[in-house]
Amino acid sequence: QQPVQSPQAVILREGEDAVINCSSSKALYSVHWYRQKHGEAPVFLMILLKGGEQKGHDKISASFNEKKQQSSLYLTASQLSYSGTYFCGTVSNSGYALNFGKGTSLLVTP
Amino acid sequence: NAGVTQTPKFQVLKTGQSMTLQCAQDMNHEYMSWYRQDPGMGLRLIHYSVGAGITDQGEVPNGYNVSRSTTEDFPLRLLSAAPSQTSVYFCASSPGADYGYTFGSGTRLTVV
Repeated sequence: QQPVQSPQAVILREGEDAVINCSSSKALYSVHWYRQKHGEAPVFLMILLKGGEQKGHDKISASFNEKKQQSSLYLTASQLSYSGTYFCGTVSNSGYALNFGKGTSLLVTP
Repeated sequence: NAGVTQTPKFQVLKTGQSMTLQCAQDMNHEYMSWYRQDPGMGLRLIHYSVGAGITDQGEVPNGYNVSRSTTEDFPLRLLSAAPSQTSVYFCASSPGADYGYTFGSGTRLTVV
């Protein structure tokens, strides 16, 4: 079952911040975050394992609330290179399949 | 180290034809998956494998078969192509449950 992402689309000016949310109806083992640029393959950003952790990756970080089955991706001081579609993927406690949401389109303008 | 290699990159099929999309990885990854990507639908899981000889269905398995006879290869077979299978197909691999996936560059398939 696909997780639900919000918002569907975001437009930012360079330097602004954004938050992308991901929620699931199932108990989760892990949450993945990927970025895909137009015409390219998705690229792995980070994985959060159950235990309620937060991870950072330069100015991109994420949190995972295991009890609420939710994760958020934080992009701070956005750069033009952050533009693309962001996907969250979830793996439930009961399986191995990685299921993705429909994606959030992020456009950073000068 | 080539990563995940998908062939072909582009393919046009006629309705009813069969074909195999190839996927190979040279990273000794145990987990491999196939996704299709359609506009507005995100990435939908077709089939996945957690090791040689082990496969399972994802969200949209109908019309597709897979097998995993070696760790390196995970081919996706379209049994009788339909226009609804027009899509971009991605293969991905991962060392295991606690790691991210590396994606291949994709196969753009058109069924006419």
